[in-house]
Amino acid sequence: SQQGEEDPQALSIQEGENATMNCSYKTSINNLQWYRQNSGRGLVHLILIRSNEREKHSGRLRVTLDTSKKSSSLLITASRAADTASYFCATDKGGYQKVTFGTGTKLQVIP
Amino acid sequence: GAGVSQSPSNKVTEKGKDVELRCDPISGHTALYWYRQSLGQGLEFLIYFQGNSAPDKSGLPSDRFSAERTGGSVSTLTIQRTQQEDSAVYLCASSLGTSGYSGELFFGEGSRLTVL
Repeated sequence: SQQGEEDPQALSIQEGENATMNCSYKTSINNLQWYRQNSGRGLVHLILIRSNEREKHSGRLRVTLDTSKKSSSLLITASRAADTASYFCATDKGGYQKVTFGTGTKLQVIP
Repeated sequence: GAGVSQSPSNKVTEKGKDVELRCDPISGHTALYWYRQSLGQGLEFLIYFQGNSAPDKSGLPSDRFSAERTGGSVSTLTIQRTQQEDSAVYLCASSLGTSGYSGELFFGEGSRLTVL
């Protein structure tokens, strides 16, 4: 079963534009993470935000978390063709419980 | 290398055969996960090992699937009597599993299984 659901499922933008992806989840969480996947193989961790945080930045990435709405968003500013990938949110409930992933957003950045 | 290693990277088998997929996690990582990803889909949780605790097997789709982790390190995912619907990429990930939460997961490149 999947805890998170991303939207949109697919997004196509021009290089230089900002890309925003959203993640909604069903039950209370401890942490929420965002991952990137190129070419359907291994995933790479991007950023982690804790349930008591509302916003976090890392380079061109900005993540927000609204626990009252059970949702998070990932903003990639000034996108590049190399940002083309699938992006997944992942959540855990703390206490060494498992991490489950959402359905993913496929981002295409057109040069 | 220092990353998560999975083998084989590709496996083609006939329906009804058994397969074993191997995962070597990063040394010192106490948490180990197996996920399954069908073409163009999200990651489906299969099983989670955390230290010496009993594994969370809640994601295993049927009793044809099993996994073990020996000595808190290497893990093997076994699929018995494979079916065509088992075709997918099987991803392994490990994490430090400290501070009461799983933290950042480090993924291997996956094992692509094709059942003919």
